[in-house]
Amino acid sequence: SSELTQDPAVSVALGQTVRITCQGDSLRSYYAIWYQQKPGQPPIVVIHAKNNRPSGIPDRFSGSSSGSTASLTISGAQAEDEADYYCNSRDSSGNRWVFGGGTKLAVL
Amino acid sequence: QVQLVQSGSELKKPGAAVKVSCKASGYSFTTYAINWVRQAPGQGFEWMGWINTNTWNPTYAQGFSGRFVFSLDTSVSTAYLQISSLKAEDTAVYYCAREVDYSDGMDVWGQGTTVTVSS
Repeated sequence: SSELTQDPAVSVALGQTVRITCQGDSLRSYYAIWYQQKPGQPPIVVIHAKNNRPSGIPDRFSGSSSGSTASLTISGAQAEDEADYYCNSRDSSGNRWVFGGGTKLAVL
Repeated sequence: QVQLVQSGSELKKPGAAVKVSCKASGYSFTTYAINWVRQAPGQGFEWMGWINTNTWNPTYAQGFSGRFVFSLDTSVSTAYLQISSLKAEDTAVYYCAREVDYSDGMDVWGQGTTVTVSS
């Protein structure tokens, strides 16, 4: 079982806003990094250091955190955002990386 | 540009060994650690451990010691993952990833190497 918990699947209507959450005790001490993975491709970072977007990531992607929950919000979801999203952080001891189980996002 | 390029897919029989390479380019190889991450078919990511590219010291996650070995050849900016005594459950995509720090995570990933273990 994962130390970071994500909902397995979420859906959103095209153009609407969706929030993907990640829960874990380690998130009280460490930032969540969010990855997007499309079929047959490696993951890419969409949010790092709480709410920073790498170059090339649209500004409709944003991150936030409160207590033991980190969130990835997509404001105005597009068809190309349909993908698996994973959160990632250090574990509570800081000794290892842990991943959430992933959330499959469907854009309807 | 910054990239990690991994070796190609492998089909191995149970009990065999495999060595996956991960060649870095576009940055100073010894500036960043290299992590290894496994993704079994249809599953999420499992962190395998990391190797310090300055000290060459590897750290293995629980469940990845013994049969799994991380190594380097800094002369060619390449990291390696060797798996011995392969089992069917080792079938997965193996990724190398450059680690920036605890806040920024792993910012560059290789394309992945599919290792299939089947008799």
